[in-house]
Amino acid sequence: DSGVTQTPKHLITATGQRVTLRCSPRSGDLSVYWYQQSLDQGLQFLIQYYNGEERAKGNILERFSAQQFPDLHSELNLSSLELGDSALYFCASSAVPDSGNTIYFGEGSWLTVV
Amino acid sequence: TQLLEQSPQFLSIQEGENLTVYCNSSSVFSSLQWYRQEPGEGPVLLVTVVTGGEVKKLKRLTFQFGDARKDSSLHITAAQPGDTGLYLCAGAGGNQFYFGTGTSLTVIP
Repeated sequence: DSGVTQTPKHLITATGQRVTLRCSPRSGDLSVYWYQQSLDQGLQFLIQYYNGEERAKGNILERFSAQQFPDLHSELNLSSLELGDSALYFCASSAVPDSGNTIYFGEGSWLTVV
Repeated sequence: TQLLEQSPQFLSIQEGENLTVYCNSSSVFSSLQWYRQEPGEGPVLLVTVVTGGEVKKLKRLTFQFGDARKDSSLHITAAQPGDTGLYLCAGAGGNQFYFGTGTSLTVIP
């Protein structure tokens, strides 16, 4: 158990819909990362937050947005969903966002768009 | 953009064999991590290497960071079925972690 909690574990939704994925980081970790993993794209970095502020942006679509709340939990919002958005979405956390620091992954949220 | 290339992408070996997975980049990283991921689960950290030329051993797994901190290798001795999984390397640069393309290992009993 990494200490990173993600909900829901599985969800199935239709194209055009919107979903919210939730992440609670490890106790004491200030930085949260979101990743998307699909069979053909591997593990892709989406976005990172540190202490409530956006720190880095990766390959995140405009239809996707995220935020980190004062209690440090984070949410990833996916809207106007397309079939290609079906993937495993991981949240990870670290104490601070500096390189060399260890990041810990949650078990992921498996999204299926039908 | 994939900054880290792993090879091989897929590897299927018999129990007891040795294997090496490579992680290469043209970029310099301040540290490099190796993860193992099982189906339906998140990647689990195996090791972090920080110093160029560093070698770390974790039971039957040996990790090496290249002298120039651009590449790394993972060597598994006497592979076991429990080693089956997706192995990912990740380089730390600035405030981001860049993941490799992954190596899917299957160890056949």
